[in-house]
Amino acid sequence: NAGVTQTPKFRVLKTGQSMTLLCAQDMNHEYMYWYRQDPGMGLRLIHYSVGEGTTAKGEVPDGYNVSRLKKQNFLLGLESAAPSQTSVYFCASSYSSRQTQYFGPGTRLLVL
Amino acid sequence: AQSVTQPDIHITVSEGASLELRCNYSYGATPYLFWYVQSPGQGLQLLLKYFSGDTLVQGIKGFEAEFKRSQSSFNLRKPSVHWSDAAEYFCAVDLSPYNTDKLIFGTGTRLQVFP
Repeated sequence: NAGVTQTPKFRVLKTGQSMTLLCAQDMNHEYMYWYRQDPGMGLRLIHYSVGEGTTAKGEVPDGYNVSRLKKQNFLLGLESAAPSQTSVYFCASSYSSRQTQYFGPGTRLLVL
Repeated sequence: AQSVTQPDIHITVSEGASLELRCNYSYGATPYLFWYVQSPGQGLQLLLKYFSGDTLVQGIKGFEAEFKRSQSSFNLRKPSVHWSDAAEYFCAVDLSPYNTDKLIFGTGTRLQVFP
C-alpha cells in the first residue's frame, strides 16, 4: 500500500504558466482533499471531492481547478500561476467525513 | 465564525520534560476534534481524535488529549518528551455536518526539543 502519493514533489513555475498536480490514493477512499500550507497559516482547504465525478470549493478556491475523473485520482490545476500561489500543497483522502484524513508527502511549488 | 486557535506558535522543552500544547475552538456545538503531527518535510499524520465518550483520549507515540467542553479546549499532552517528538503539531476541527466535510486547522505549534 502506497497510501497517498503526490506528483511532482517540487516544481518551479513562471508567472502565467499552468500546471497540474496529481494525487493518487490506493485505499479506495471516497473523499479527497487539496490543501495549501503557508507559514503561520496552517492548512487551508482549496477544493475537495466526496466521490468520483464530484468536486466542491473549500476556503481558498480562487485560481485553482480540480477534477476527479477516477476514484483514486484527484487533480489540482493552476491555469495561470501567480506568485501568491507559492506554497506547499498537500493532498489527503478519507473513507468518509469525520474520519481520519491520510496525507500525501506534499508538493512544494515556487512561482517566480 | 468557527475557528481553531493554537496560541503557542513555538514551544521549546528539554528531553524528558512534560509537554502540553493548547488548542481552543470556537464552535456552537461539540465538534469532532483531531491532533495531527507533521515532521519536517513530511505530510501530516494523525495522533489522536475525539468524537464522543471518554474525554481523555489516548493516541500514538504516547500522546493523550483531554476534551474540556466548559473551556472549549482539546489540549495535547505527553508526560515525557523524546527528541524525536520535535515536529509541528496541528489541532483540527471537523465541522460536519454543519459545514459539510471540512476540517479546519489551527495555525500549528512548532515543538523544539533540547537534549
